[in-house]
Amino acid sequence: GQSLEQPSEVTAVEGAIVQINCTYQTSGFYGLSWYQQHDGGAPTFLSYNALDGLEETGRFSSFLSRSDSYGYLLLQELQMKDSASYFCAVRSDTGGFKTIFGAGTRLFVKA
Amino acid sequence: AAGVIQSPRHLIKEKRETATLKCYPIPRHDTVYWYQQGPGQDPQFLISFYEKMQSDKGSIPDRFSAQQFSDYHSELNMSSLELGDSALYFCASSLADRGQRAEAFFGQGTRLTVV
Repeated sequence: GQSLEQPSEVTAVEGAIVQINCTYQTSGFYGLSWYQQHDGGAPTFLSYNALDGLEETGRFSSFLSRSDSYGYLLLQELQMKDSASYFCAVRSDTGGFKTIFGAGTRLFVKA
Repeated sequence: AAGVIQSPRHLIKEKRETATLKCYPIPRHDTVYWYQQGPGQDPQFLISFYEKMQSDKGSIPDRFSAQQFSDYHSELNMSSLELGDSALYFCASSLADRGQRAEAFFGQGTRLTVV
């Protein structure tokens, strides 16, 4: 089967840096994605790691270690608008491509 | 740019009725996914299609079925609706390029309420 684990909730202040960890277990692993979802909205893509290492996109960075089945999303210079749910998602091929989401981490950014 | 279109945006049905949700993927995307998201929960994978053929199945009840048509739009059919089917249903599309940037684009969802 497949499983992903990430913290349920994180609180940080504006301007700070926060790291959201994700560990996964899956077969046919292709890569790890991160999505952001505001209340009532659709998930929107943030980043994707297929290889080990760090991918940087503006204030957001994502890291993957395939040997550790572990990744994280790093958010820098936090803004109030970053308050949202963040999902790690495994892209796998087990006879068909699919993206399986973790339970999500609710990020609260305080002034 | 064109995005994933879902219709209707909102749907209210009674128990035991049938509902059909539609999804129009981004042009030239070859993979369509359906997800169900209950209040405060993560999106649960239901089913996916690659080039109009079912490619994978998740936690989709037997009362639900889906298909992808020749124009690549997809429909999720839900019968004998139950109160627990009330949720936000997302459709997403992507290109099935193995290992490469694998961004899935989500539609705005259909909010189904079963009363």
